[in-house]
Amino acid sequence: SAVISQKPSRDICQRGTSLTIQCQVDSQVTMMFWYRQQPGQSLTLIATANQGSEATYESGFVIDKFPISRPNLTFSTLTVSNMSPEDSSIYLCSVEQLNTGELFFGEGSRLTVL
Amino acid sequence: DAKTTQPTSMDCAEGRAANLPCNHSTISGNEYVYWYRQIHSQGPQYIIHGLKNNETNEMASLIITEDRKSSTLILPHATLRDTAVYYCIVRVTDTGRRALTFGSGTRLQVQP
Repeated sequence: SAVISQKPSRDICQRGTSLTIQCQVDSQVTMMFWYRQQPGQSLTLIATANQGSEATYESGFVIDKFPISRPNLTFSTLTVSNMSPEDSSIYLCSVEQLNTGELFFGEGSRLTVL
Repeated sequence: DAKTTQPTSMDCAEGRAANLPCNHSTISGNEYVYWYRQIHSQGPQYIIHGLKNNETNEMASLIITEDRKSSTLILPHATLRDTAVYYCIVRVTDTGRRALTFGSGTRLQVQP
C-alpha cells in the first residue's frame, strides 16, 4: 500500500494567517484528494488535486480559500488561507494507487485556529 | 454516488464476530462497495471492497446480497483495537468521480 506523509501533523495558528499542508507519497499515484474533518464530524471532500492542471473543488470550497498545488505525481500541498476559528479541523490527504485503484489516507494535519 | 445507510452505533463483545450492516439500495451496476474504518485520531484505513461477489481478506469478510442493495462487513473475532468508526461507501472506479464520499458511519465499540 502507498505510504503517505503529511506535514505538519498538527499546528496552532493565529486568526488571519495562512498555513500550507504538505502531502508526500512514496510512489506515483493517479489521483490525490484533500478532505476536511471538523470536530466530531465525518470527512468532507475539499478538492481533487490534478497533476499538471488546476484542482477541482467541491461545492462550498473555493480556490482563494484553499489553494492547492500538485507539481508532480507524488506531492501536493493544501493552503488554508486567512484562517478563522471555523477552519479548525483535521485536514487529510488521500491518494489513489496507480495499479490497484485503492485509496489510502495520510494521518491528517490537525489545525487549531485561535 | 449512491447513498448508504448505516446504524449509528453498535456494540460487540471481544472475541465475538462483529457484523456491520449497510444499505445501498440505489447502487449502480458499476459501483463497488468499499469499507473503511477510522480509529480515533488516525486517518481512515482501507478494509475491503467488492462488486458483487463475497470477499475475504486478513482483516474481514464482505457479504453482498444478490441484488446488491445491501452488504455486511464481518470482523470474525473482534478485539478492543477494532473499536472505531466504520464507513460503508459506494464508489465508481472506472470513470468520472473517483473520490470517496463519506457518510456518518457506524461507531463500533468492542467491549471487554
